[in-house]
Amino acid sequence: EPEVTQTPSHQVTQMGQEVILRCVPISNHLYFYWYRQILGQKVEFLVSFYNNEISEKSEIFDDQFSVERPDGSNFTLKIRSTKLEDSAMYFCASSEARGGTSGNTIYFGEGSWLTVV
Amino acid sequence: AQSVTQPDIHITVSEGASLELRCNYSYGATPYLFWYVQSPGQGLQLLLKYFSGDTLVQGIKGFEAEFKRSQSSFNLRKPSVHWSDAAEYFCAVGAQSGGYNKLIFGAGTRLAVHP
Repeated sequence: EPEVTQTPSHQVTQMGQEVILRCVPISNHLYFYWYRQILGQKVEFLVSFYNNEISEKSEIFDDQFSVERPDGSNFTLKIRSTKLEDSAMYFCASSEARGGTSGNTIYFGEGSWLTVV
Repeated sequence: AQSVTQPDIHITVSEGASLELRCNYSYGATPYLFWYVQSPGQGLQLLLKYFSGDTLVQGIKGFEAEFKRSQSSFNLRKPSVHWSDAAEYFCAVGAQSGGYNKLIFGAGTRLAVHP
């Protein structure tokens, strides 16, 4: 079964450093997403991406965050200057079409644990 | 605003017992509803979803859920729990009009299974 893959699975970084989290969405999918889950809290939507641009973002997704699809297969989340409160599990996800339309489902990866020290 | 409430943070059941995990949502129109499961060290796996039609939906691993509009609920059930079902379960809702572009998750219910 096709799946969303994420790297790294764990990353420890110092406060103020830049971090790039990488994702390979399912190959025929067109919509891509990042969510995050701070330890003990809800899974929260960060951003959705379609046709090489952001289609929706949450208030969490401020100027420190950016997303990119640098080639035909990868989808990345960059945090420019990490803060302690950025420590979380970051989930990449993808869907074939706009979520909900024609019953399409959002599929999630296994997540990347980011610890900022 | 859309929201999802999972009233039970932790539930413990014995293996072979029945299970019901509660989920209540807040949304004006008919929502798209989902249950995801997260096993230790794993990502979020879709168990089942409700978009329209039959209000009782079947999912993987023997799970089912029933959409009750009058109660704004989408409870997850399983008639006989296995030890491998120990995991965290998340209910989520997506907006309907024009399709949705994001999911709103509940806080999750952590399920422990006693042998």
